[in-house]
Amino acid sequence: DAKTTQPPSMDCAEGRAANLPCNHSTISGNEYVYWYRQIHSQGPQYIIHGLKNNETNEMASLIITEDRKSSTLILPHATLRDTAVYYCIVRVDFGRPGNTPLVFGKGTRLSVIA
Amino acid sequence: KAGVTQTPRYLIKTRGQQVTLSCSPISGHRSVSWYQQTPGQGLQFLFEYFSETQRNKGNFPGRFSGRQFSNSRSEMNVSTLELGDSALYLCASRALAGEVTGELFFGEGSRLTVL
Repeated sequence: DAKTTQPPSMDCAEGRAANLPCNHSTISGNEYVYWYRQIHSQGPQYIIHGLKNNETNEMASLIITEDRKSSTLILPHATLRDTAVYYCIVRVDFGRPGNTPLVFGKGTRLSVIA
Repeated sequence: KAGVTQTPRYLIKTRGQQVTLSCSPISGHRSVSWYQQTPGQGLQFLFEYFSETQRNKGNFPGRFSGRQFSNSRSEMNVSTLELGDSALYLCASRALAGEVTGELFFGEGSRLTVL
């Protein structure tokens, strides 16, 4: 079972920041928070991941609370092409084969509106 | 660099038949995972292969099997197809060259319809 809780859907106006929340209250100390998204009819796409510190890349920012029980994915300037299902996943990852696989929940369906 | 390539993209089978799906990972990636996606169950992990060995397996019946070749290409097979096997089958590869974390790179998927 997925160890995260996300709202089923959200809307965001084009050009505004999209803030997608995720609760992971049972996260362990060695579990990372991963975000993936899936645009309709495509395979999931990796966005970002983090352990404790906030992270930023060219796609998004990840804000993890100090107690690590929740996080927020921020798309700073949402476009229509960001409309997708966003998945928040927690897992241990040491880069070895045979790790606990990614367990996808139902995610958040983000609709960016013009 | 080419992405993960899955073939065929679409196929239609009838109940009782078997099907083989193919996946070519990103060059240099040695781990290949397979997922099934259906509207009702979402994305579910099938299995992971590394160095031609199955390293992890999800909760699917024995009708679902896979293998990996020495060039890291992978195939999955579903025998005695059932209507419920209709799904998008996704392959993902990852690099494990000493990295602490390795994100998965997914292909576009093979959409199987069982009639």
